[in-house]
Amino acid sequence: QKEVEQNSGPLSVPEGAIASLNCTYSDRGSQSFFWYRQYSGKSPELIMSIYSNGDKEDGRFTAQLNKASQYVSLLIRDSQPSDSATYLCAVKATGGYNKLIFGAGTRLAVHP
Amino acid sequence: DVKVTQSSRYLVKRTGEKVFLECVQDMDHENMFWYRQDPGLGLRLIYFSYDVKMKEKGDIPEGYSVSREKKERFSLILESASTNQTSMYLCASSFITAGAYTDTQYFGPGTRLTVL
Repeated sequence: QKEVEQNSGPLSVPEGAIASLNCTYSDRGSQSFFWYRQYSGKSPELIMSIYSNGDKEDGRFTAQLNKASQYVSLLIRDSQPSDSATYLCAVKATGGYNKLIFGAGTRLAVHP
Repeated sequence: DVKVTQSSRYLVKRTGEKVFLECVQDMDHENMFWYRQDPGLGLRLIYFSYDVKMKEKGDIPEGYSVSREKKERFSLILESASTNQTSMYLCASSFITAGAYTDTQYFGPGTRLTVL
């Protein structure tokens, strides 16, 4: 069974700090990686996608991918209380079709 | 903007009832997906479809069926609802891609189903 692992948290950070969210995956052939944010009672919304090794920045968010280590992370700079949510890591399953495998999510709490 | 809509936000049904959950997307996406989300278990794929009248089982298809008669609409059917099907149901859609890369999935608002 191909897996995506995340620390469930909660990860608690003070306002203004950097939040670091981590994800490991088991399928070495995976090529597409996504971070979704999900507020309580709401559906997931895409934050970032990343396909190549290295860093990808979008505003306060940076996604980092290391395929050799099978590791993808999300950094949130200048964390705000509005960033408090569950962050889901998703990885494309190999073997055809466009299925994603989701981690169980990391709950982030940003306190003032 | 991609829009994925689901027929109900909240639904309460009784054990043994047949339940229909509807999902509609307006972006001409080929792929559509049904997930359920339970605390601590994350998102689990029930069924997906990559074309009209085509369907593939996901990880937990037992007790469910699907229908896709039109490209924009994907229905999830609980043939005989049971209490263990109480959950949040999420529909998603995406463009189809070939090879190792895949497009983003866009989610609907979800249907919270309670089976009594």
